[in-house]
Amino acid sequence: GAVVSQHPSRVICKSGTSVKIECRSLDFQATTMFWYRQFPKQSLMLMATSNEGSKATYEQGVEKDKFLINHASLTLSTLTVTSAHPEDSSFYICSARDPLQRQRETQYFGPGTRLLVL
Amino acid sequence: LAKTTQPISMDSYEGQEVNITCSHNNIATNDYITWYQQFPSQGPRFIIQGYKTKVTNEVASLFIPADRKSSTLSLPRVSLSDTAVYYCLVGFSGTYKYIFGTGTRLKVLA
Repeated sequence: GAVVSQHPSRVICKSGTSVKIECRSLDFQATTMFWYRQFPKQSLMLMATSNEGSKATYEQGVEKDKFLINHASLTLSTLTVTSAHPEDSSFYICSARDPLQRQRETQYFGPGTRLLVL
Repeated sequence: LAKTTQPISMDSYEGQEVNITCSHNNIATNDYITWYQQFPSQGPRFIIQGYKTKVTNEVASLFIPADRKSSTLSLPRVSLSDTAVYYCLVGFSGTYKYIFGTGTRLKVLA
């Protein structure tokens, strides 16, 4: 149980274009999902918390107009990187909690999306 | 916010016990401590979670002292496939403030 998927697994785009990344909880309903970013050989950094049916909460230093988050259903959250630039190239990972599980503080992570902006 | 630090890297031999420590001096009262394993180009995989004292599951043990300012992940008998980066994560769903540790690269040698 507690499987999280992401799509696409990797994407290459031109500078200035927008890219959408999907995060799905496959076997549970997630009222809250999280988006992380990980640069090469670095740790994961929380970007934002995505709540179903409401606005996302962004961490300090993360531009909400650049990283658009939509959590339209209990199993899907999307992250759109708008007007992507080479410095946005990174590994983007989502996670979700299953509030019905005994270990409800545990986050389950997706496989990640590798974004390369040329 | 809790700042979490870990040793950068560790080497071990197959069959040995490995202990990886995470320092989280500013941990909040409600924060949980979770450990994850990450292979290259993959998402983190859950290992174990605890709040205080000792927790054990089929793959690892987690030791948390009374002051909760640190935690130690213990892998009983490592194999080559345990070569990965290990992260501690400190946080609580009530605040949604999650801080990953700096990560420890474990290399298991034959």
